[in-house]
Amino acid sequence: GAVVSQHPSRVICKSGTSVKIECRSLDFQATTMFWYRQFPKQSLMLMATSNEGSKATYEQGVEKDKFLINHASLTLSTLTVTSAHPEDSSFYICSARYGTGSPPEAFFGQGTRLTVV
Amino acid sequence: AQSVTQLGSHVSVSEGALVLLRCNYSSSVPPYLFWYVQYPNQGLQLLLKYTSAATLVKGINGFEAEFKKSETSFHLTKPSAHMSDAAEYFCAVRSNTGFQKLVFGTGTRLLVSP
Repeated sequence: GAVVSQHPSRVICKSGTSVKIECRSLDFQATTMFWYRQFPKQSLMLMATSNEGSKATYEQGVEKDKFLINHASLTLSTLTVTSAHPEDSSFYICSARYGTGSPPEAFFGQGTRLTVV
Repeated sequence: AQSVTQLGSHVSVSEGALVLLRCNYSSSVPPYLFWYVQYPNQGLQLLLKYTSAATLVKGINGFEAEFKKSETSFHLTKPSAHMSDAAEYFCAVRSNTGFQKLVFGTGTRLLVSP
């Protein structure tokens, strides 16, 4: 299957700083990328959907100014957590989708464990 | 809106025993359904998907799932559990509107004992 690379896998940052997480589709062009957040022992909650070259669509309750998403190319999307606080500590997972099949296939990155201290 | 419900946050089986993870869906249209597996601190890996081509779907690692419209179910099974099957399993349904996002169930942790 296609490979989605997410970097970094773990990051620790100080409260008030910003952190950028990258999501790359290595061997395919991703028309759509999704960003999820997962709390311990819970399911994945969709944060936003992004299409290359356009603004991300955020789910209800997700702060756009806090979680900045940029989908600059068909192989790269970034999530920046701005002015991070301890409550932002979580596991963040991206997913990249391509194809015109029914349904189009989606592939997941390995996730990023963010700890804000 | 489409949704999935996974019954049982934890399922424990012995190695070699049958694995049954339950998933029920809610959808007003024929759904696309998925099962994913997640190992600790990793992303999700697709086990199998239902796309209406066949009601019995075979996936990787010996898993399969049967779509039953009358029961609105898509339960995941494996005849014989291995220790390596211990993980978190998520059932998901694809939304048929907007970006066709995936809607996940709450997950079931499979524990396999020797």
